[in-house]
Amino acid sequence: SAVISQKPSRDICQRGTSLTIQCQVDSQVTMMFWYRQQPGQSLTLIATANQGSEATYESGFVIDKFPISRPNLTFSTLTVSNMSPEDSSIYLCSVGRLAEETQYFGPGTRLLVL
Amino acid sequence: GIQVEQSPPDLILQEGANSTLRCNFSDSVNNLQWFHQNPWGQLINLFYIPSGTKQNGRLSATTVATERYSLLYISSSQTTDSGVYFCAVEDSGAGSYQLTFGKGTKLSVIP
Repeated sequence: SAVISQKPSRDICQRGTSLTIQCQVDSQVTMMFWYRQQPGQSLTLIATANQGSEATYESGFVIDKFPISRPNLTFSTLTVSNMSPEDSSIYLCSVGRLAEETQYFGPGTRLLVL
Repeated sequence: GIQVEQSPPDLILQEGANSTLRCNFSDSVNNLQWFHQNPWGQLINLFYIPSGTKQNGRLSATTVATERYSLLYISSSQTTDSGVYFCAVEDSGAGSYQLTFGKGTKLSVIP
């Protein structure tokens, strides 16, 4: 298993500003992903965070809006840029290892944009 | 991409009752996981079960990969079982380890 922490756990932001969310894992992992969960909805994959290279984004998500960094095998950040009320969601990171099939999720960051 | 359908979308149970949640998927999968999202938003791993049957206490799950469905059984339900149950799959043809989630089943267990 893996112990995952996210910071901040929640935030209230003004439209037009940006917020950076951190994801820290207690051990090295192969894969890190970022998901968004809009109110009352399921989880949607934003991107795969690649260590040492640019993230791989899913359809509908772009780097200018959701820049991602992954400087090492235990840490990643997701920035939500130029926020609007539609960005109000829970943002979750998940991790996995090639040797293990199970993916684990962080506790999430609850974002409210006013 | 792979499609994941969960049923029922909502379920209300009296405490002590049993229930079955279903997950249908449209293609072969490498990974299938069941999660419970509690009222605080935390996603809790229940089962990794791309095929076969597993049990953990009052919960058990069965996946029939050839028929592309999985079932989650909850017995003797408790109020703490309330929340949303998600099924998530990894498409075996994608090779990306990414999970596609169903829309979930919202379970409410009343005393």
